Amino acid sequence: NAGVTQTPKFRILKIGQSMTLQCTQDMNHNYMYWYRQDPGMGLKLIYYSVGAGITDKGEVPNGYNVSRSTTEDFPLRLELAAPSQTSVYFCASSYAQQGTYGYTFGSGTRLTVV
Amino acid sequence: GQQLNQSPQSMFIQEGEDVSMNCTSSSIFNTWLWYKQDPGEGPVLLIALYKAGELTSNGRLTAQFGITRKDSFLNISASIPSDVGIYFCAGPDYGGSQGNLIFGKGTKLSVKP
Repeated sequence: NAGVTQTPKFRILKIGQSMTLQCTQDMNHNYMYWYRQDPGMGLKLIYYSVGAGITDKGEVPNGYNVSRSTTEDFPLRLELAAPSQTSVYFCASSYAQQGTYGYTFGSGTRLTVV
Repeated sequence: GQQLNQSPQSMFIQEGEDVSMNCTSSSIFNTWLWYKQDPGEGPVLLIALYKAGELTSNGRLTAQFGITRKDSFLNISASIPSDVGIYFCAGPDYGGSQGNLIFGKGTKLSVKP
């Protein structure tokens, strides 16, 4: 019972490079989310998806892109990495969008942009 | 959008002590969730509250949904070293994010053996 799986766990990028953070879930949840966590700042929503083919911006979407071609996968793309994108990224999924039953989180990707 | 304010920001306690933390908002919430994040891991749901005045326990943890629906409290009794981590409150943001969860900034708990 894997839940939400994120890869890689750690990554160092140079300014201007691009990368994709992978997220997959095996719980058949329609709703998926990407959050970033900065020290002392809690979790900020980047993008979310309510089902395959449907994505929408969260609170801090600039510099990121997402796609949702299947129910299981929700990759996050950084096109031109900047130092401000140094953060820990969490993917989550849920049965209900409105947080009623909470979200299941992956273990995170720690990204450093130098 | 709505905001959640958690206090204290951090706590340093002795093993065996009880812990209290809270979460407040200027807006009403219909659901309050409490998460714990272990170092290097993602947050894990501890307790969910759905009704004003509700008191729910999970082992040594007890959480309450405030009567005004603008606050919630989490208590940990007889703390142990594995209680170390960051505790987040969360609730659905109906104001700005279509009901997606918003999170407080967390209370970081350190326990001295």
